[in-house]
Amino acid sequence: ILNVEQSPQSLHVQEGDSTNFTCSFPSSNFYALHWYRWETAKSPEALFVMTLNGDEKKKGRISATLNTKEGYSYLYIKGSQPEDSATYLCAFSSGSNYKLTFGKGTLLTVNP
Amino acid sequence: ETGVTQTPRHLVMGMTNKKSLKCEQHLGHNAMYWYKQSAKKPLELMFVYSLEERVENNSVPSRFSPECPNSSHLFLHLHTLQPEDSALYLCASSPGRGEQFFGPGTRLTVL
Repeated sequence: ILNVEQSPQSLHVQEGDSTNFTCSFPSSNFYALHWYRWETAKSPEALFVMTLNGDEKKKGRISATLNTKEGYSYLYIKGSQPEDSATYLCAFSSGSNYKLTFGKGTLLTVNP
Repeated sequence: ETGVTQTPRHLVMGMTNKKSLKCEQHLGHNAMYWYKQSAKKPLELMFVYSLEERVENNSVPSRFSPECPNSSHLFLHLHTLQPEDSALYLCASSPGRGEQFFGPGTRLTVL
């Protein structure tokens, strides 16, 4: 059984705060780690696909790091804005198939 | 229209009804997926098609029947569903095993 755990479950921050959340996943048979952003009433949108241990990716104010040996990834948001409010999902894929195993997500609310 | 589209966006059906969900992608991807999102649960993969062949069937009850007639279209046929099948059903597509592009989902209610 593959478990992908995300913490915290929810987070409230003030506009301008920087924040980060964690995704933990099985460290064996790793293929890729995906981060998605899911706004209410919209489609989940891919942020990053990470495959290499030690990888760090950045898109605007959002960045992510990956540690495949210990099985965790961090997502950072610098200077949060109200439009960053969404559920952030991570998903793990192993080497053998197309399946993505998702965590339950972190619900971020940024207050103006 | 670009991206991944799903119809209908909302569906209410009785337990004896037969209905179908439709997904269409115009991205030239060769893999398509059905996911189920139930309240307070992670997204659960139901089916994967690659090059129109089913490559994953994640222990889904037979009352859900997928169909992939070509690389742009994916259907989920529903028959004698249960109230606990009420959920958001998301379709996605990808170029191989890379980043997945999701549709907006169909909100299904089974009475």
